[in-house]
Amino acid sequence: GAVVSQHPSWVICKSGTSVKIECRSLDFQATTMFWYRQFPKQSLMLMATSNEGSKATYEQGVEKDKFLINHASLTLSTLTVTSAHPEDSSFYICSAREGGALNQPQHFGDGTRLSIL
Amino acid sequence: QKEVEQNSGPLSVPEGAIASLNCTYSDRVSQSFFWYRQYSGKSPELIMSIYSNGDKEDGRFTAQLNKASQYVSLLIRDSQPSDSATYLCAVNFISGTYKYIFGTGTRLKVLA
Repeated sequence: GAVVSQHPSWVICKSGTSVKIECRSLDFQATTMFWYRQFPKQSLMLMATSNEGSKATYEQGVEKDKFLINHASLTLSTLTVTSAHPEDSSFYICSAREGGALNQPQHFGDGTRLSIL
Repeated sequence: QKEVEQNSGPLSVPEGAIASLNCTYSDRVSQSFFWYRQYSGKSPELIMSIYSNGDKEDGRFTAQLNKASQYVSLLIRDSQPSDSATYLCAVNFISGTYKYIFGTGTRLKVLA
């Protein structure tokens, strides 16, 4: 159980392109999803917390107009990197948790490796 | 600023030995603690969670929590080369949100 699917797993595109990444919880309803970014040999950096049916909460320093998050249903959240540039190249990972107690763990998708040329 | 600290390693242990990974955190008011394993180029996978003081065992893994001393540890018994990975400690602080603070991770190498 607790499977999170993330798509696509790998994207290579030109500078200025917008890229959408999907995160789905396959066997549970995720009231809260998270988007992380990870640079090589560094730890996970939380970008934003996404709650179903409401606006995402962005971490300090993360541009909300650059990284658009939509959590339209209890099983789907999307991250759109708008007008991507080479410095946006990174490993993007989503996670999801079931509703309820604070003790519920986050379950991670497989990640999306984004390369902007 | 709440913090979670881990020794970056690498921690090298011989195959079959016990690997001991430690994590300290800065705030006494914390709720839940999690250990994740991350292989190079992959996303983290949940190993264990622990919420109460003491030990919690799951197969070859034992998590230990001491809230008074503000540390949580992970023991891996009978370490295998396949356990070689980065181990991330995550803490959910009581702040009304569900977000974690992650440590930077400890890289474990199990030598065959």
